[in-house]
Amino acid sequence: QSVLTQPPSASGTPGQRVTISCSGSSSNIGTNSLYWFQQLPGAAPKVLIYTNNQRPSGVPDRFSGSKSGTSASLAISGLRSEDEADYYCAVWDDTLSGYVFGTGTKVTVL
Amino acid sequence: QVQLVQSGGEVKKPGASVKVSCKASGYNFISYGITWVRQAPGQGLEWMGWISASNGNIDYGLKFQGRVTMTTDTSTSTAYMELRSLRSDDTAMYYCARHNFDIWGQGTMVTVSS
Repeated sequence: QSVLTQPPSASGTPGQRVTISCSGSSSNIGTNSLYWFQQLPGAAPKVLIYTNNQRPSGVPDRFSGSKSGTSASLAISGLRSEDEADYYCAVWDDTLSGYVFGTGTKVTVL
Repeated sequence: QVQLVQSGGEVKKPGASVKVSCKASGYNFISYGITWVRQAPGQGLEWMGWISASNGNIDYGLKFQGRVTMTTDTSTSTAYMELRSLRSDDTAMYYCARHNFDIWGQGTMVTVSS
């Protein structure tokens, strides 16, 4: 079982804002920088956010990340049909001495 | 362009070993480490470990220690991941990625079945 907890699903209509949470502990989110990944069906994951809130070039500014204490969030504003995917958080865990991934959240655009 | 290209799918019997390759192009291979992540069918992502392409330093995930070996060949800009003593629950898509997760391979499906 993962040490990072995400809601299994989230949904919204086009144009809405959706937020996905990622809950961890002091040995991971509380100490280290977080990534967020998008995985479209049948594709490899793609990094959306690194270092808690930084977007790689090419990632729309509709995607934003934040972190507070031992929790983090990914927000998708102006939801679009192409945002329908699985989303994962990930962070280094000092106790496990390795990266841990969240349980994943499936976003559905209604 | 910067890319990682992985070897093709494999079917193995329980107890066997599998070696997956990941060939880098479009960047200086030794400037980045390579991370390995796997995903069982319908399941989430699982970090297996990473290897530095410059000095060979390695971190293996606790779950895989003793059963996995990660190596690199700087002459061909290729990283390898070997998993031994395969079990049915090792059936998964195996991905390589640059250590900062910015570039991913296309994945290699490994099926373990008797």
